[in-house]
Amino acid sequence: DTEVTQTPKHLVMGMTNKKSLKCEQHMGHRAMYWYKQKAKKPPELMFVYSYEKLSINESVPSRFSPECPNSSLLNLHLHALQPEDSALYLCASSQGGQRGLYEQYFGPGTRLTVT
Amino acid sequence: AQSVTQLDSQVPVFEEAPVELRCNYSSSVSVYLFWYVQYPNQGLQLLLKYLSGSTLVKGINGFEAEFNKSQTSFHLRKPSVHISDTAEYFCAVSDWGGATNKLIFGTGTLLAVQP
Repeated sequence: DTEVTQTPKHLVMGMTNKKSLKCEQHMGHRAMYWYKQKAKKPPELMFVYSYEKLSINESVPSRFSPECPNSSLLNLHLHALQPEDSALYLCASSQGGQRGLYEQYFGPGTRLTVT
Repeated sequence: AQSVTQLDSQVPVFEEAPVELRCNYSSSVSVYLFWYVQYPNQGLQLLLKYLSGSTLVKGINGFEAEFNKSQTSFHLRKPSVHISDTAEYFCAVSDWGGATNKLIFGTGTLLAVQP
């Protein structure tokens, strides 16, 4: 099973709301990723968790807050977002550790609209 | 720093014709290369990968790619395309950050298959 699941599929939120995106994988992967993708652009890396510790933060604004409660789950907490944050948010996972040897598996994404 | 170039933003092709999507990379270290496909409103799906060994790599859905170290290329090919192959295709190179693997994506190529 190479499935990464994401909920919700769609989310509309106002600029003062607080919401969370959820990602889950049961492949035993130890690295998990959040990406942001704007229309007709490649995914942009936001955060990487390796063995449940935050290992990369690509200078993402603090209104995005990641959390990795356990090795299978990854959350992205959203607060006080701006309309320009509207995008497809993708989660991915891969086996951890070995130098670049493992591909990333992506979820279907959450389409976020900030009004 | 590693980078990936996809020179063609869009490739129109007729159904049952062959197609080649071009990808060039730059890297100063060992190279691990990937092709992903993204259908409309979906996440990314791994088509194929090159880690080592044979330079001709076969993937899913009849696609293959050839790793050419001297030309720093990893072009994707399919001998006969179908309407259902219409999608965005991303080439990516793995970038080892010392603790975690990152993917560096190209800008993508839209394969538009016409009847």
